[in-house]
Amino acid sequence: GQQLNQSPQSMFIQEGEDVSMNCTSSSIFNTWLWYKQDPGEGPVLLIALYKAGELTSNGRLTAQFGITRKDSFLNISASIPSDVGIYFCAGQLRSSNTGKLIFGQGTTLQVKP
Amino acid sequence: NAGVTQTPKFQVLKTGQSMTLQCAQDMNHNSMYWYRQDPGMGLRLIYYSASEGTTDKGEVPNGYNVSRLNKREFSLRLESAAPSQTSVYFCASRPDRASTEAFFGQGTRLTVV
Repeated sequence: GQQLNQSPQSMFIQEGEDVSMNCTSSSIFNTWLWYKQDPGEGPVLLIALYKAGELTSNGRLTAQFGITRKDSFLNISASIPSDVGIYFCAGQLRSSNTGKLIFGQGTTLQVKP
Repeated sequence: NAGVTQTPKFQVLKTGQSMTLQCAQDMNHNSMYWYRQDPGMGLRLIYYSASEGTTDKGEVPNGYNVSRLNKREFSLRLESAAPSQTSVYFCASRPDRASTEAFFGQGTRLTVV
């Protein structure tokens, strides 16, 4: 099936550092979403992107919808311990008429105080 | 503000046993989804219901059945559990299949021994 390649798979950083993660695909998407999952919880939406080239911020988080419509990245600035969790990208294919979301494999982030 | 509620939160089954995972949403959403989450695999779609009265297979439907009981409820049934079905299961809902944001429940952690 369709697949999103998300990288890196995991990150262990020092508090205060910036973080960057991305998702790529060989398919074209019309929507990109970024979710965060806290331990023992379900994913929660952080940022939604709807147009190629769109750059959107949510506090210390910034995400961009790639110009080719095949990729997206998420940056977290000045990380803090509560940023710990699993970050997922998700996309809706331009060719999809079912509205199904495809998820990346996730990036596990650990922050050392 | 209940959102999406899943029961049970934890379950241990013996191989061959059956069980039903329950999901209910109180947001008047039309579309509902069942995902499974496995390490390094992200979230994979098992079944979805674009609207009340319809259900469709996702990426990994084998070994599962679903019922869209009414607009609020969408259950997932394992008729004969197998160890390969050990996973964390998430139910999600969206206003409709064109809406991008999916709201997730807290998950059901299932172990099949």
